[in-house]
Amino acid sequence: DVKVTQSSRYLVKRTGEKVFLECVQDMDHENMFWYRQDPGLGLRLIYFSYDVKMKEKGDIPEGYSVSREKKERFSLILESASTNQTSMYLCASSGRYNEQFFGPGTRLTVL
Amino acid sequence: ELKVEQNPLFLSMQEGKNYTIYCNYSTTSDRLYWYRQDPGKSLESLFVLLSNGAVKQEGRLMASLDTKARLSTLHITAAVHDLSATYFCAVDRKSAGKSTFGDGTTLTVKP
Repeated sequence: DVKVTQSSRYLVKRTGEKVFLECVQDMDHENMFWYRQDPGLGLRLIYFSYDVKMKEKGDIPEGYSVSREKKERFSLILESASTNQTSMYLCASSGRYNEQFFGPGTRLTVL
Repeated sequence: ELKVEQNPLFLSMQEGKNYTIYCNYSTTSDRLYWYRQDPGKSLESLFVLLSNGAVKQEGRLMASLDTKARLSTLHITAAVHDLSATYFCAVDRKSAGKSTFGDGTTLTVKP
């Protein structure tokens, strides 16, 4: 059974903290993605990685960075969390036909 | 820039009725995906449509793709309560595996 896992389901952080969200996939997929989902704004791509150490900015990269040191793991970093980064964060990976497999999501609250 | 438009955005229907959700997109693409999201949960893949004229069916849901019209439909037959969810279409951007998602159609099936 294919799987994408995320390190936390719920996370509460304070403004200015550095936040790490981790994602692991077991499908040997090349492509991995980070999205945020907000009511009324749909699903927005933050960053995309098409190989180890390779990354590409998505539609809303400001305030975020990513790291992909191993094929199965893709991390999203908030260098200095702000309240407007409170959101649901979804990780996904995709394989042969670019069909995406999503993790369970991390609901991040920044106070 | 690829734009993906779904309609309707909200759909309330009675059990046993039929209905169609539409997904229009603005630039040429040969691949389209449908995903389902239950409240508070992540997205799961429903259908992958890889060419013009592709039709896929699973239970009471049937998806089709007309690449010439840049249109996909998700048809619901004899709706049941368990189909209540948000349905997203996503279109391949033809660049390195990224997709653009529609805003989602929230379906509520009432007895």
